[in-house]
Amino acid sequence: KAGVTQTPRYLIKTRGQQVTLSCSPISGHRSVSWYQQTPGQGLQFLFEYFSETQRNKGNFPGRFSGRQFSNSRSEMNVSTLELGDSALYLCASSFRAGDGTEAFFGQGTRLTVV
Amino acid sequence: KNEVEQSPQNLTAQEGEFITINCSYSVGISALHWLQQHPGGGIVSLFMLSSGKKKHGRLIATINIQEKHSSLHITASHPRDSAVYICAVRKTGNQFYFGTGTSLTVIP
Repeated sequence: KAGVTQTPRYLIKTRGQQVTLSCSPISGHRSVSWYQQTPGQGLQFLFEYFSETQRNKGNFPGRFSGRQFSNSRSEMNVSTLELGDSALYLCASSFRAGDGTEAFFGQGTRLTVV
Repeated sequence: KNEVEQSPQNLTAQEGEFITINCSYSVGISALHWLQQHPGGGIVSLFMLSSGKKKHGRLIATINIQEKHSSLHITASHPRDSAVYICAVRKTGNQFYFGTGTSLTVIP
């Protein structure tokens, strides 16, 4: 079956703009989480969704938001982009948001803010 | 202090060598993943562990829950194993905390 699909793969935006990234989980998976990877900070947790509800949120400013749709696809939005938002954004999906279920990661969206 | 500590940060090995990467964590977890990331690429989950040991080809992963420690071993390393290996612990739900990664280079 198809893996976790993130679109777009690459994106260049200008400071001050906003951006929306998409993550389609593996069919049947209901839990989606998002991560930011930068050279300086490594991988950091952004937020987690399960059945359209945000379960947890990492320590990021309010410019970072997300949502999950009834088909489990998730989007994250970053408003008023800053240069420091340049990063690889990864999502992971799992069948349920609990113990014992394996998580699968997407290929990521590489965002460059200029 | 990072909740997940990985060592070494960088590792260079000759082809055929046995490689060990270590991961220590300080929080209660429901599972631990070893991840592989090639340059410019996405992340692939190599193993999910909640106890004991798992083997897949030349890769072996172990975890000691009491000591909060896990190791990833690569036997007979090959240049195609060159990548960044990341230890990720799952606290609750689908929320992960990551080590800083080990950059492995295997020289032919």
